[in-house]
Amino acid sequence: AQSVAQPEDQVNVAEGNPLTVKCTYSVSGNPYLFWYVQYPNRGLQFLLKYITGDNLVKGSYGFEAEFNKSQTSFHLKKPSALVSDSALYFCAVGLMEYGNKLVFGAGTILRVKS
Amino acid sequence: ETGVTQSPTHLIKTRGQQVTLRCSSQSGHNTVSWYQQALGQGPQFIFQYYREEENGRGNFPPRFSGLQFPNYSSELNVNALELDDSALYLCASSLVAGSNNEQFFGPGTRLTVL
Repeated sequence: AQSVAQPEDQVNVAEGNPLTVKCTYSVSGNPYLFWYVQYPNRGLQFLLKYITGDNLVKGSYGFEAEFNKSQTSFHLKKPSALVSDSALYFCAVGLMEYGNKLVFGAGTILRVKS
Repeated sequence: ETGVTQSPTHLIKTRGQQVTLRCSSQSGHNTVSWYQQALGQGPQFIFQYYREEENGRGNFPPRFSGLQFPNYSSELNVNALELDDSALYLCASSLVAGSNNEQFFGPGTRLTVL
């Protein structure tokens, strides 16, 4: 079965420090991978995606993610965290079966403290 | 450019009732997907519509049904509401159907079933 795992329920980091939010996936074939962010009482906002090509993908708000095929991972990173980055982050994989649905992980709460 | 909008914002229903949720897709987008996000979980795919036709369905019973209109707006209908249907319902639109295309989410409709 296709699945996405976010092993950390919460990540805490000090403002100005680098942050990493982890994601691993299990799919057949070549995955399309996404990161979304959700602020309280809001819908999901697209951050970045990996389709093919360069394993390091750059996205919105200074975020980037590294695709690692051998480790089946797609970790989200940012060199210097901001308090305003505090939110709920979802990793997702795009699947052609079942109508191009996105399969989401359970989410990781990121807390950046000043 | 107008983003994805959803109505109503909040809704309270009782068990056994029926509900209709509405979504207007982002300008130029012909594909709409619906997701259910239970508290503390990632969004779960309900179904997708592409050019007024259902284009795939997740593991939801037939009492979850939908429509897409010629202007690409969409409705989600849920019959015989159950307590477990309480969730945030998210609509997402994309430029074309395809698992490598990012989906743009609306703010969601919070449904409470009593």
